[in-house]
Amino acid sequence: GAVVSQHPSWVICKSGTSVKIECRSLDFQATTMFWYRQFPKQSLMLMATSNEGSKATYEQGVEKDKFLINHASLTLSTLTVTSAHPEDSSFYICSAKREGDYNEQFFGPGTRLTVL
Amino acid sequence: GQNIDQPTEMTATEGAIVQINCTYQTSGFNGLFWYQQHAGEAPTFLSYNVLDGLEEKGRFSSFLSRSKGYSYLLLKELQMKDSASYLCASMDSNYQLIWGAGTKLIIKP
Repeated sequence: GAVVSQHPSWVICKSGTSVKIECRSLDFQATTMFWYRQFPKQSLMLMATSNEGSKATYEQGVEKDKFLINHASLTLSTLTVTSAHPEDSSFYICSAKREGDYNEQFFGPGTRLTVL
Repeated sequence: GQNIDQPTEMTATEGAIVQINCTYQTSGFNGLFWYQQHAGEAPTFLSYNVLDGLEEKGRFSSFLSRSKGYSYLLLKELQMKDSASYLCASMDSNYQLIWGAGTKLIIKP
């Protein structure tokens, strides 16, 4: 149990376009989902924390108008990178916590975004 | 401030034992996690320690000393597939993970 999926696995887009990444908990209800970004040879950087039915909490330095997060249900959160630029090219990973579980986070497989 | 320190890179030989150290300073503490991450993939959970001592799980063991703000991951009988980055993460009082930069482990035949 505790499987998290992400879609798409990889995406290439033109500069200025918007890209939506989906994160789904397949066999559990996730009250909290996290969005991370990871640049090559660097650690995970938390971008935002989203709770079902409420606004996401963004980390310092992350533009909430550029990285739109919607956690519409207990099994789905989406991250939309608006007006993407080459510097937004990165590996985006989501993770989810099970309802009632304060500790372990279950990670999705990640989405590789390349902006041309 | 919050800080996680671990070595950037380590090299070990197939069949040997390697210990990856991690020191942490976080606002509150709700446990220490170790994750394995292969290049281009998401992290996978290895271990969780919240009490002092050693937790053994097959070839992998993890140790925690809360008083010293210190943990290590011990990998035995190393295999080539163990070549990966190993991420140490401390969970703070808000149940948020604070990540280290990762230790790249290179296994040589």
